[in-house]
Amino acid sequence: GQNIDQPTEMTATEGAIVQINCTYQTSGFNGLFWYQQHAGEAPTFLSYNVLDGLEEKGRFSSFLSRSKGYSYLLLKELQMKDSASYLCAVSDRDDKIIFGKGTRLHILP
Amino acid sequence: TAGITQAPTSQILAAGRSMTLRCTQDMRHNAMYWYRQDLGLGLRLIHYSNTAGTTGKGEVPDGYSVSRANTDDFPLTLASAVPSQTSVYFCASSAQGGGDYNEQFFGPGTRLTVL
Repeated sequence: GQNIDQPTEMTATEGAIVQINCTYQTSGFNGLFWYQQHAGEAPTFLSYNVLDGLEEKGRFSSFLSRSKGYSYLLLKELQMKDSASYLCAVSDRDDKIIFGKGTRLHILP
Repeated sequence: TAGITQAPTSQILAAGRSMTLRCTQDMRHNAMYWYRQDLGLGLRLIHYSNTAGTTGKGEVPDGYSVSRANTDDFPLTLASAVPSQTSVYFCASSAQGGGDYNEQFFGPGTRLTVL
């Protein structure tokens, strides 16, 4: 079956660094996505990984290990506006995108 | 550019009634998707379409039907609504059904309450 696991909630301090982990077991693998979703809004795309390694985009980085079925999203220099849910999603062999339940990140001043 | 739009924004529906949620995109994307999002369960795929004229079932298709007569529109129909279909429904599209172009763009969502 398809399974994507990520922590339900995390808390971090403004200015700090936080790592959100995601593990997955899916029918095939065509890439892994991270999305950000603020409360009451639609998800927005953050990053995409299909090869092993680290992809960096400003304050956000995403890492993938296909052999371990593992990814993480790293957020640096946290700002209050980073308070949101972060969704890990995997594109399976049929190119269907399956989402994890999301990690709600709380930023403390 | 409008991107992807959904209608209505919200709706209260009596159980047993039918309803069609509308989704339109102007990005000429090949693939479109319908998700429902429920507290504690995340986004779950209902149906998808990789190109006009084709559709497929997602994780939770029962009680829902879709059609894809053209590239731009992807309506979702509830034939006979039940309270368990109370949810926020998101439509999404992506350029094509694979690879880097699979980045999805989401509509603003439809909040549906079935009483």
